[in-house]
Amino acid sequence: QVQLQESGPGLVKPSETLSLTCAVSGYSISSGYYWGWIRQPPGKGLEWIGSIYHSGSTYYNPSLKSRVTISVDTSKNQFSLKLSSVTAADTAVYYCARYPFRGSFDYWGQGTLVTVSS
Amino acid sequence: EIVLTQSPGTLSLSPGERATLSCRASQSVSSSYLAWYQQKPGQAPRLLIYGASSRATGIPDRFSGSGSGTDFTLTISRLEPEDFAVYYCQQYGSSPMTFGQGTKVEIK
Repeated sequence: QVQLQESGPGLVKPSETLSLTCAVSGYSISSGYYWGWIRQPPGKGLEWIGSIYHSGSTYYNPSLKSRVTISVDTSKNQFSLKLSSVTAADTAVYYCARYPFRGSFDYWGQGTLVTVSS
Repeated sequence: EIVLTQSPGTLSLSPGERATLSCRASQSVSSSYLAWYQQKPGQAPRLLIYGASSRATGIPDRFSGSGSGTDFTLTISRLEPEDFAVYYCQQYGSSPMTFGQGTKVEIK
């Protein structure tokens, strides 16, 4: 059974960098699939942030591209998100998820709430 | 960027009734790369439908998807108590992947 688990600070100060990690179990990242980050502000809809392939190829939402870095560590079977220069508008539940090429998100993490506040 | 508009915003129905949810795209979704997700409070979204009409593993057959081009529909034939939730459509044929704003199916 594929499982994804997000981890990272729940509180980040404005202008700092948000850092999250998604640990994958039950499936080797190196075996394929794309691995993505999606966020959901409280009471609002879903926004795709970006994705990575096990080779390291990355794909970002243009709306966030200047502030986002996604990386993968195949030895630890995990991938990470960094979002710089955060503001209150970046407060959201952050999910990690898996999808095949030209596919939909089939496995999701439970999500982690990140609040941007001083 | 493809904008997905879902309607209605809220659907008030009783258990046993039929639910019809709409998702309209601002431009054609290539190869029907459209998915539907169900989200309950405090939970991650769950994949229901992919490729516009294919049910994901373990999804009951009361859920069905249809449509192509710019107009897509999710139908729940007979609402069960556990089906009251928020539903999102998503297109993954063009980058960036985008989601609709959601339709809440609530108990009448």
